[in-house]
Amino acid sequence: SQQGEEDPQALSIQEGENATMNCSYKTSINNLQWYRQNSGRGLVHLILIRSNEREKHSGRLRVTLDTSKKSSSLLITASRAADTASYFCATVRVTGANSKLTFGKGITLSVRP
Amino acid sequence: EPEVTQTPSHQVTQMGQEVILRCVPISNHLYFYWYRQILGQKVEFLVSFYNNEISEKSEIFDDQFSVERPDGSNFTLKIRSTKLEDSAMYFCASIEGGETQYFGPGTRLLVL
Repeated sequence: SQQGEEDPQALSIQEGENATMNCSYKTSINNLQWYRQNSGRGLVHLILIRSNEREKHSGRLRVTLDTSKKSSSLLITASRAADTASYFCATVRVTGANSKLTFGKGITLSVRP
Repeated sequence: EPEVTQTPSHQVTQMGQEVILRCVPISNHLYFYWYRQILGQKVEFLVSFYNNEISEKSEIFDDQFSVERPDGSNFTLKIRSTKLEDSAMYFCASIEGGETQYFGPGTRLLVL
């Protein structure tokens, strides 16, 4: 399968530090997306990077994609306590009219005030 | 800002009962999805729906599951005879035709 697999599984940092989360996948993709989920809540789309892109920025978020290594990283700079959540990478391989997301297991980020 | 909505937010049902989970996708979106997340596990794809028909379904989406778009706004997931293992958070998502799926807040289903 083309599952995204994140590491580490859990990350605890101090407020103000940077958080780096990694994701690996197995097959070719059209794009890779990162989502955030607060405890017991819905999924919030953070950022999308296409297979022909290597790096994207959005506010305090920076995502990279290395298709040769089939890996991506999400960097959150200057973390805040409010960034505490679970983060998921999800890969997309478009087939016809379908573009389902295949999620990894997620990373639990705790930002200590 | 338009958003996907889902009702109910929580549902408790007895094993063997039918449940219908409802979603209102963003109004100009064309592609619709259901995902589920068993507690503590990853989000899993169930089914995608486009042009009034299923475009893809996963192994999880067996004969007990069905989807419907009964009118121009609602998108429903029906589980005919619930099992204990159907307890999960169910997410609806929609997409206009681009690449970003917008998720609803989810329905937490508990089967007793």
